[in-house]
Amino acid sequence: DAGVTQSPTHLIKTRGQQVTLRCSPKSGHDTVSWYQQALGQGPQFIFQYYEEEERQRGNFPDRFSGHQFPNYSSELNVNALLLGDSALYLCASSRTGNSPLHFGNGTRLTVT
Amino acid sequence: GESVGLHLPTLSVQEGDNSIINCAYSNSASDYFIWYKQESGKGPQFIIDIRSNMDKRQGQRVTVLLNKTVKHLSLQIAATQPGDSAVYFCAENRGTSGTYKYIFGTGTRLKVLA
Repeated sequence: DAGVTQSPTHLIKTRGQQVTLRCSPKSGHDTVSWYQQALGQGPQFIFQYYEEEERQRGNFPDRFSGHQFPNYSSELNVNALLLGDSALYLCASSRTGNSPLHFGNGTRLTVT
Repeated sequence: GESVGLHLPTLSVQEGDNSIINCAYSNSASDYFIWYKQESGKGPQFIIDIRSNMDKRQGQRVTVLLNKTVKHLSLQIAATQPGDSAVYFCAENRGTSGTYKYIFGTGTRLKVLA
């Protein structure tokens, strides 16, 4: 039973570019959340998707957008990249309701 | 603003001893809490959770205590092993209207000394 998988594992982009990160949730999970984790910090909530809609959003600008597909997989898009967007981006899946998040190993994004 | 934070950024423990990692939260309406372990290069891994209608919950070698009066959460690890070395995060559910949004603290690094 595969857990949460994310791709790519590492990515280097230039300021101003756009990036798309991908996530496949754990089998049986229908809710996907995205987090940004800066070095030495805890994960910061970006947004959550359920039934292909954004259900909750954290304090991130509109440059951060997402999508959930009918098979529950999800994408995170970041436009007009800034140096400060360099971080580990974590995808987490869960079942509907108050259940623990299961995390992938993240995508390490470096913006130069 | 509301936050989930930790008292100690780094904790060094002798192998075999018990570890206690603490966490303070500020939202008294939070109803669900989780402890995660994050090893280098990996995503956070679920350890144990507790709902606000409980004071204590035990797992294998781990115990979580919740004190709602002072809004404090702790993780106790019995007989700490080298494999327990990692960063530990507490997370608090801040979702509204039946949704679930987990807010994480900054983490405590646990170092196990041989």
